[in-house]
Amino acid sequence: EAGVTQFPSHSVIEKGQTVTLRCDPISGHDNLYWYRRVMGKEIKFLLHFVKESKQDESGMPNNRFLAERTGGTYSTLKVQPAELEDSGVYFCASSHDRHPGNTIYFGEGSWLTVV
Amino acid sequence: AQTVTQSQPEMSVQEAETVTLSCTYDTSESDYYLFWYKQPPSRQMILVIRQEAYKQQNATENRFSVNFQKAAKSFSLKISDSQLGDAAMYFCAYRSALNSGYALNFGKGTSLLVTP
Repeated sequence: EAGVTQFPSHSVIEKGQTVTLRCDPISGHDNLYWYRRVMGKEIKFLLHFVKESKQDESGMPNNRFLAERTGGTYSTLKVQPAELEDSGVYFCASSHDRHPGNTIYFGEGSWLTVV
Repeated sequence: AQTVTQSQPEMSVQEAETVTLSCTYDTSESDYYLFWYKQPPSRQMILVIRQEAYKQQNATENRFSVNFQKAAKSFSLKISDSQLGDAAMYFCAYRSALNSGYALNFGKGTSLLVTP
């Protein structure tokens, strides 16, 4: 069974440009999460989808970040315009249901560098 | 918000030895879950072990075990008989069982080096 896959694995863009990160969750997982780790800091929650609906987007830093999950399958996270402080690793994760004790499966992350 | 603290940025252990990674957390909730995740270099993060706050017995998964001290809000991970494949970044995480958000709150991580 394929795990959570993310694309691109690495991206270097200039300040002011746009980047779109994609995540394909494990097949059948209704719950999809985005997290971010800025260098030297904790991994921080960004948002949570249940199917195509945003369940919790309390961690989104500002309106330059837009997440979508059309059709409840894959998700995209767009940063527009990118700023230097957006550099970091963006993790996507998925789970079958929302029980807090259940395993959340993570992707390898998308490394974003804004120069 | 709940905070998770991992006070050891880096740890080193020799193959076949035992190492303990520290984690403390701050919460006013009574029902929650604690997790240790492992991320090898350039690989995805995987769940190592989980503990439900209501269970007094410490969780064990093969060579991995935890020392869960609820009153002290401490959740350390012990790796026995360390292997080269255990080298990774280890993250401690907290997840509320009461809050509908269910977001994982992570510590900053501990980088574990295993030497032959």
